[in-house]
Amino acid sequence: KAGVTQTPRYLIKTRGQQVTLSCSPISGHRSVSWYQQTPGQGLQFLFEYFSETQRNKGNFPGRFSGRQFSNSRSEMNVSTLELGDSALYLCASTHRTSGTGPGANVLTFGAGSRLTVL
Amino acid sequence: GQSLEQPSEVTAVEGAIVQINCTYQTSGFYGLSWYQQHDGGAPTFLSYNGLDGLEETGRFSSFLSRSDSYGYLLLQELQMKDSASYFCAGILAGTALIFGKGTTLSVSS
Repeated sequence: KAGVTQTPRYLIKTRGQQVTLSCSPISGHRSVSWYQQTPGQGLQFLFEYFSETQRNKGNFPGRFSGRQFSNSRSEMNVSTLELGDSALYLCASTHRTSGTGPGANVLTFGAGSRLTVL
Repeated sequence: GQSLEQPSEVTAVEGAIVQINCTYQTSGFYGLSWYQQHDGGAPTFLSYNGLDGLEETGRFSSFLSRSDSYGYLLLQELQMKDSASYFCAGILAGTALIFGKGTTLSVSS
C-alpha cells in the first residue's frame, strides 16, 4: 500500500508570492489534515478535510487555505508569502486505531514539503 | 488556551529505561497520542490513550491520567535507533491534534 505522497518536496519562493502544495493520501483514506512544522513553534494544526469538506481549522490567517478533491487528494495554498511561512508542511491521512473513543485515529504523515521564503 | 508541556531533552544509555512526561492544560481532549520523528523524517504514530491507564506496545508503553492532566511515554531496553524527537499530542476532534514542542531523546552506547 503506497504511503502519503506530498509534492513538491522542496521549493523556494520570494515574499509576496503564492504557493500550492499537493497531498495524495493513502488509498481509501478520506481524511486529510495539514500541519506546519517550524523549529520555534513545533507542529501546528492547519486544517482537516473529510470527503471534500473542511471539518476543522487551526489558528492560521486566511492566507492559508486548502481544499480536497473527490479522489481525496488535497491541496493547500499560501498566498502573499511571508518570511515566517518558511517551514516544513506535513500532510497526514488518517485511519482508526484499535483504541477506544472518538480520538482513536492514527495519522500517517507524508515526507513533507519544505518551503523556504526569501 | 490549550497547551502540552514536555521536557525539551532527555539523554540515556543503551539498554536503559526512559520516561517522557507530558502535562496538558486544556479541556475537551479526547485522548493523548505519541509520535516519533527522526531527523529529516516524518512523524510516525507510536501509541494512543483514549482512556486512563497504561497501553503497552512492545518496548513502548504510554500512560494517561485525565484527572491529573498528565501522561507519559515509557521506552524500555533503549536502542541507538530510538534517538529521535518524541511528541505528545492532544486530540481535539477528528484529526486536529495539538502537539507538544517535542522531547529530543539521545541514546548513547
